[in-house]
Amino acid sequence: DAMVIQNPRYQVTQFGKPVTLSCSQTLNHNVMYWYQQKSSQAPKLLFHYYDKDFNNEADTPDNFQSRRPNTSFCFLDIRSPGLGDAAMYLCATSILAGETQYFGPGTRLLVL
Amino acid sequence: SQQGEEDPQALSIQEGENATMNCSYKTSINNLQWYRQNSGRGLVHLILIRSNEREKHSGRLRVTLDTSKKSSSLLITASRAADTASYFCATGSGGSYIPTFGRGTSLIVHP
Repeated sequence: DAMVIQNPRYQVTQFGKPVTLSCSQTLNHNVMYWYQQKSSQAPKLLFHYYDKDFNNEADTPDNFQSRRPNTSFCFLDIRSPGLGDAAMYLCATSILAGETQYFGPGTRLLVL
Repeated sequence: SQQGEEDPQALSIQEGENATMNCSYKTSINNLQWYRQNSGRGLVHLILIRSNEREKHSGRLRVTLDTSKKSSSLLITASRAADTASYFCATGSGGSYIPTFGRGTSLIVHP
């Protein structure tokens, strides 16, 4: 049974056209994370939520926003995608910060 | 900044051989985690080892932690072609519990 679900699995957008990626979880975990991973690189943390508390990494571009309307769902909004934003976007959850993370399958974003 | 750094960056072995990869980190930790990522997929948690533990096992996986050397190792015994993947260590840094990931070790197991 899928525990962390990401939709869509593949997303194609145009340069500058806003795009939203979604993540849902059935684990009822407190913490949800968004990572950006480019080819052959480490997953880079963009932000995380501890319940409703939003924590933005210092080097996350302003172009990236997030919403967590309830425990189960979290969204990543890219307001004006650039070519450099093409990447795999990974959502993860954990029951507490720093504990085992459960990852979704990722959404691969292509910017044309 | 990255806390964990894996070594080697790439490892190529034959099926049945053991694979060892290492992770070094810079600051004190609460725990250290190892993950596997198959090509183009999400990460899968393998083992979490806490700072007061020295060794943990899970099936064919063995993880050690040496806090005096700020390093950890992941051993995969009797490797299989299905073990082909990238392996990442992750740990918190600078007093934060939020884990950051190293660049990973790319393991190829030839059948």
